[in-house]
Amino acid sequence: GENVEQHPSTLSVQEGDSAVIKCTYSDSASNYFPWYKQELGKRPQLIIDIRSNVGEKKDQRIAVTLNKTAKHFSLHITETQPEDSAVYFCADSGGTNDMRFGAGTRLTVKP
Amino acid sequence: EAGVTQSPTHLIKTRGQQATLRCSPISGHTSVYWYQQALGLGLQFLLWYDEGEERNRGNFPPRFSGRQFPNYSSELNVNALELEDSALYLCASSPWGLFNTEAFFGQGTRLTVV
Repeated sequence: GENVEQHPSTLSVQEGDSAVIKCTYSDSASNYFPWYKQELGKRPQLIIDIRSNVGEKKDQRIAVTLNKTAKHFSLHITETQPEDSAVYFCADSGGTNDMRFGAGTRLTVKP
Repeated sequence: EAGVTQSPTHLIKTRGQQATLRCSPISGHTSVYWYQQALGLGLQFLLWYDEGEERNRGNFPPRFSGRQFPNYSSELNVNALELEDSALYLCASSPWGLFNTEAFFGQGTRLTVV
């Protein structure tokens, strides 16, 4: 993958509200788009991923959408809880066999 | 199954010195990736090793180098340390490449250059 742009850099929501994080990629060869969650002082861990042959994927309160034409993909978290507070990274991988990450979004869920 | 392990956890060096960071991948994984995470910033791709060879590197100067051993463990060497090299260095492993597959991260080595 090449550079991935991620927005917003910080996001604060009230508990129970939804949170949306958006990413844009540039490498046309990219076909795998994971999202990682990094809690304070811990390692990044995969929370959900999507491949290019799918437009949407959902896992309980988390969903990811992909628009290959526009080269956009987004993370949606519904019914947010305080434990969702963390830094979230999008990434893409493609023909170069490495993985490039967005700059991260610091999500704060206020009780 | 043991995860990706990194050592040391913390490392303090003086400007101009060399630092060596180590990573042991998950058993069966042949690819090791190194990322730099400066405070408050994202994950910057440093290096990718697979089957003992450097496969790709990010936009970092040559004083960042490394190697991969026959058992697939890896070292990251940073020569002529500069203050801005202070960061969390994360290692990740995968079965082969990160094409269409999850990266498993270690807990990182926090390097502080004073």
